[in-house]
Amino acid sequence: RKEVEQDPGPFNVPEGATVAFNCTYSNSASQSFFWYRQDCRKEPKLLMSVYSSGNEDGRFTAQLNRASQYISLLIRDSKLSDSATYLCVVNMSSNSGYALNFGKGTSLLVTP
Amino acid sequence: DAMVIQNPRYQVTQFGKPVTLSCSQTLNHNVMYWYQQKSSQAPKLLFHYYDKDFNNEADTPDNFQSRRPNTSFCFLDIRSPGLGDAAMYLCATSSGSISTDTQYFGPGTRLTVL
Repeated sequence: RKEVEQDPGPFNVPEGATVAFNCTYSNSASQSFFWYRQDCRKEPKLLMSVYSSGNEDGRFTAQLNRASQYISLLIRDSKLSDSATYLCVVNMSSNSGYALNFGKGTSLLVTP
Repeated sequence: DAMVIQNPRYQVTQFGKPVTLSCSQTLNHNVMYWYQQKSSQAPKLLFHYYDKDFNNEADTPDNFQSRRPNTSFCFLDIRSPGLGDAAMYLCATSSGSISTDTQYFGPGTRLTVL
């Protein structure tokens, strides 16, 4: 079983739609959870951290369910500029530092 | 201002010819990471340094080595590149103090092996 698994996508949605991505992780010892965004041929960039209580940043809402080892990202009122790959990311302490485990990503295309 | 810089952005090498990729940071972060990302795949951690302490992932091939001569710089050496090593190589940094630290990624070096 892969450590981080995401919806395969791609998701094609019209502008203004609401879209949700799901992610599961296998290691119950995982400590921190993130959503990263990656544009084509660019580096990943942090979109938001995910907290147990759930958190919201503008049009983006992230949820974490530790019992089910499940993370979600909701995007409301999709914009054309939201088109990208969304990576579910989990980290846990290694020998030193905190290495990231990435999901394969879910591709989102927002169309006019 | 660029905080994590990778050079070169594009590297072409021949099969078996050693190549070195460079990463530098202006953040004074303790931890520097190297990831490999192949097309349509997730970034995969190769190894990381916490200060001078090197931490290799178990499944990283011996063909990949790294050096960190000082806080600011970290190098990825591929001793004998194969066709399967063609990928984007991403350098990242973090302060290393807490698990919720943001990791800052450089723009990546895209390696082509002929």
